[in-house]
Amino acid sequence: DAGVIQSPRHEVTEMGQEVTLRCKPISGHDYLFWYRQTMMRGLELLIYFNNNVPIDDSGMPEDRFSAKMPNASFSTLKIQPSEPRDSAVYFCASSPGIPNQPQHFGDGTRLSIL
Amino acid sequence: DQQVKQNSPSLSVQEGRISILNCDYTNSMFDYFLWYKKYPAEGPTFLISISSIKDKNEDGRFTVFLNKSAKHLSLHIVPSQPGDSAVYFCAASASFGQNFVFGPGTRLSVLP
Repeated sequence: DAGVIQSPRHEVTEMGQEVTLRCKPISGHDYLFWYRQTMMRGLELLIYFNNNVPIDDSGMPEDRFSAKMPNASFSTLKIQPSEPRDSAVYFCASSPGIPNQPQHFGDGTRLSIL
Repeated sequence: DQQVKQNSPSLSVQEGRISILNCDYTNSMFDYFLWYKKYPAEGPTFLISISSIKDKNEDGRFTVFLNKSAKHLSLHIVPSQPGDSAVYFCAASASFGQNFVFGPGTRLSVLP
């Protein structure tokens, strides 16, 4: 079975540019999560969806960040405009349901904003 | 305000010996705990879990112990193997629907 698929794996862009990260969750999983990993803050939850509906976006750092899930098999995380402090590894994860069900992670997108 | 803490950023262990990774939490509502393993350039992968109704869960070389009164859990790996070298994350959730909160991770190095 295919796992969670993220694209691109690496993104390097200049500050001020729009960045779009993509995620395809595991088929049949009702929950989708976006995380950001940095040295300073570790793995932090940005937003999660249940059945394509955003449930908790309290972790989204600023209005520059937005996430959508137009259907059960696709989600995007957009940063506009991007800043150097947004540089991090962004992970997408999905799970069949919460609580008490492990999340399955993609391999992440390493984002570098110059 | 970290709700899940892993106070050892790194740990080195000789191959064949026991690795013990520790995790402390502050939220008494947490009742389900997981350990994830992460290799470089890959996403975290689920390793083992424990519910608060238990104090121990074992899966092969991996055992997780939970001490609810101390709000402490630990992951034991016996015997440790070089392939176990990775970053280990502890995560916790409360059954009323909150998401998992992750600790900062401990980097384990198993030396041959």
